Amino acid sequence: DAGITQSPRHKVTETGTPVTLRCHQTENHRYMYWYRQDPGHGLRLIHYSYGVKDTDKGEVSDGYSVSRSKTEDFLLTLESATSSQTSVYFCAISELLGSTGELFFGEGSRLTVL
Amino acid sequence: QKEVEQDPGPLSVPEGAIVSLNCTYSNSAFQYFMWYRQYSRKGPELLMYTYSSGNKEDGRFTAQVDKSSKYISLFIRDSQPSDSATYLCAMSANTGTASKLTFGTGTRLQVTL
Repeated sequence: DAGITQSPRHKVTETGTPVTLRCHQTENHRYMYWYRQDPGHGLRLIHYSYGVKDTDKGEVSDGYSVSRSKTEDFLLTLESATSSQTSVYFCAISELLGSTGELFFGEGSRLTVL
Repeated sequence: QKEVEQDPGPLSVPEGAIVSLNCTYSNSAFQYFMWYRQYSRKGPELLMYTYSSGNKEDGRFTAQVDKSSKYISLFIRDSQPSDSATYLCAMSANTGTASKLTFGTGTRLQVTL
């Protein structure tokens, strides 16, 4: 299994509170991604990173920010959580762009916003 | 209309059956096609990868791409209870764009004894 650890794995929070999800990898892969998975929508890309301090937006980036200060860590922050951000969040890594497109996923963080 | 359409299922089959999972897509620029398998409460894992049209076989799994019809399929022969999972198709237009993968919503498969 790819060395990807997501924390926390489960979180319940209230509307308006800040939330930070952490992804830690031990594979030294350059690229890291945050996806959310919702019924009827599949996996949707929130943000991704192509290096330390280098990040870009995905298709559903509104309300989310990310940071990557070290190769191994990629943080996803919800500045003020809303109920629409209740979801399962997956971190993924890939070794190279120009590869087969293989992503290695973490086990997910289940977030409930009340 | 979504770029990638996938029947959510659930699809229930008896052990040993041949399973056919399908996705249709609208973007003719897609040329890299993948199938991911996701067990309950786990992250997806890559199962098959195909470039452009044609077939690819790996053990009991066969991936098929028909670009003229914008239709891809995953066949599972001699299905096993351990194949019970959600199967996600994914595709992209360019190599080097793992960040640009478009996923289907997934089909839930249940293989019964």
